[in-house]
Amino acid sequence: DGGITQSPKYLFRKEGQNVTLSCEQNLNHDAMYWYRQDPGQGLRLIYYSQIVNDFQKGDIAEGYSVSREKKESFPLTVTSAQKNPTAFYLCASKATPASGELFFGEGSRLTVL
Amino acid sequence: AQSVTQLGSHVSVSEGALVLLRCNYSSSVPPYLFWYVQYPNQGLQLLLKYTSAATLVKGINGFEAEFKKSETSFHLTKPSAHMSDAAEYFCAVSEYQAGTALIFGKGTTLSVSS
Repeated sequence: DGGITQSPKYLFRKEGQNVTLSCEQNLNHDAMYWYRQDPGQGLRLIYYSQIVNDFQKGDIAEGYSVSREKKESFPLTVTSAQKNPTAFYLCASKATPASGELFFGEGSRLTVL
Repeated sequence: AQSVTQLGSHVSVSEGALVLLRCNYSSSVPPYLFWYVQYPNQGLQLLLKYTSAATLVKGINGFEAEFKKSETSFHLTKPSAHMSDAAEYFCAVSEYQAGTALIFGKGTTLSVSS
């Protein structure tokens, strides 16, 4: 079945450590997105990529980094510079940048100890 | 700039009662509008979408929404709530046929009591 796979589902990290969240899609979608979800704040855009080897910052990119070396993969690194990294992270994709609907993965919950 | 406002962070209804979740948007260009549902610790699932065709949009699980340009609204309704409808609901907007990301509201948690 086609879809978006995020891993790990749950991740614990000590302060000062970088962590990388994986996002893989087999939908052959061009565009991919990372959102952060905090209680009562909805979803906020971190980074997005409309094509391989290109990506743009979203509204809350500070302390995060991404890469898009392959069409199907869009990993997110949460760096030690992110001051409040504990959150639920959601990866999503669209067939093309101009198409409307986003398809979401199941999310990764990061907790900083 | 586009934005979405969901009125009411928490809505409670009885099983069998009407569900009404409110969403107002701001957009300077024709919008795409969406409603998504999220169950605890899961991703978001599309309920329905408006893409400039019919103003009354029917979605999955008996939900529907009406696009009202004059009111800049896209409220979600369901005639009869079921216990399984308890979840968080998000309204989202994007520019019509533009390569932009979706802008989400802050969400409304729906509780259903028996």
